[in-house]
Amino acid sequence: NTVMTQSPTSMFTSVGDRVTMSCKASQNVGINVGWYQQKTGQSPKRLIYWASNRDTGVPDRFTGSGSGTDFTLTISNMQAEDPAIYYCLQHNSYPYTFGAGTKLELK
Amino acid sequence: QVQLKESGPGLVQPSQTLSLTCTVSGFSLTSYSVHWVRQHSGKSLEWMGRMWSDGDTSYNSAFTSRLSISRDTSKSQVFLKMNSLQTEDTGTYYCVGGMGPFAYWGQGTLVTVSS
Repeated sequence: NTVMTQSPTSMFTSVGDRVTMSCKASQNVGINVGWYQQKTGQSPKRLIYWASNRDTGVPDRFTGSGSGTDFTLTISNMQAEDPAIYYCLQHNSYPYTFGAGTKLELK
Repeated sequence: QVQLKESGPGLVQPSQTLSLTCTVSGFSLTSYSVHWVRQHSGKSLEWMGRMWSDGDTSYNSAFTSRLSISRDTSKSQVFLKMNSLQTEDTGTYYCVGGMGPFAYWGQGTLVTVSS
């Protein structure tokens, strides 16, 4: 199975900060990666698909990048509504697998 | 707009069978896949399987032969059946689908396995 390793596990940030989180795949997954935001009590919401394509309505402060085994989600200007758990997902090979998540909190 | 909604029993007894329904709107099951994903409380997400647009299915081998996914296109519904439930199957079950990979998620349905 392809293991998706996310780091850091959690982080504290401030409004206005630039935030970068990583997702590393245990094997090449091409660009078959998405990023999901899950706020407390809600279902996950897709932010990024095909590694770097932003979903409609997602603020442009969210940027996805990478290919192969290394992927990054960047929030350029942290906002008060951004605290959540962020998950990456690979849908290149079965079984599709998610990372364990990065929990983003405000200081 | 695209919507997916899960329904089913909130409580299932150990060793029994779980049956969930996902009702979709805003897209056709014959055009796009629907996946089932579960989440243990406070934990990450686990892909269970998918119903392809052509009616074929793919499963996570972690569920061996316990899992079955089917559909009724006339009702825009996808079904999940999983037998031999254990307490570790407790969690929130999501159906996911629509245009593009894992684009839209249902609200999820909490399933508790307990006697």
